[in-house]
Amino acid sequence: EAGVAQSPRYKIIEKRQSVAFWCNPISGHATLYWYQQILGQGPKLLIQFQNNGVVDDSQLPKDRFSAERLKGVDSTLKIQPAKLEDSAVYLCASSSQNRRAGTNTGELFFGEGSRLTVL
Amino acid sequence: DAKTTQPTSMDCAEGRAANLPCNHSTISGNEYVYWYRQIHSQGPQYIIHGLKNNETNEMASLIITEDRKSSTLILPHATLRDTAVYYCIVRVWGQGAQKLVFGQGTRLTINP
Repeated sequence: EAGVAQSPRYKIIEKRQSVAFWCNPISGHATLYWYQQILGQGPKLLIQFQNNGVVDDSQLPKDRFSAERLKGVDSTLKIQPAKLEDSAVYLCASSSQNRRAGTNTGELFFGEGSRLTVL
Repeated sequence: DAKTTQPTSMDCAEGRAANLPCNHSTISGNEYVYWYRQIHSQGPQYIIHGLKNNETNEMASLIITEDRKSSTLILPHATLRDTAVYYCIVRVWGQGAQKLVFGQGTRLTINP
């Protein structure tokens, strides 16, 4: 089974520039998450989608961050304009909502992340 | 989601059992205990979860105290590849938003 795909793996930009990250979840997973992980800290949830609807975006800095999942499959996270403090790894994860499946543990499957450096 | 408390770091000798503690004294009756780990430069990886019974899988064992206020993750025969940050998380599973709220975790170092 293919895992969660993310791109780009690395991105370096200057402050005030814009950047976009792409995520393709595991096939059939209805729930998609974007996390931000600053060096030395645990991941922080930015936004959670259920199919193409937003479930939780309470921690998303909406003045500069936006995310979409138009067709309920892949997703894009955008930052515009970027600030120095946005330097972090952006992790995408997906999970299945199907509790009828005997092996469904509720686990989230994470991608390898996109490392952003803002200069 | 309930908060958890974990030691910042731990060391363990290769081949020995690594026992990682977690306190979750405010856990609710419908919250599960989940453990994830994050190896350097990778995304977090699910290890195990449980509600109130002890659980075991191919990766680890999870021991939950009877009052559910604390738990221990056991890696029975630690290898160098088990060096990672281990996160203990409590969350509701199956109802509404099921977000994982990560704390700082425990940085486990396996020494040769």
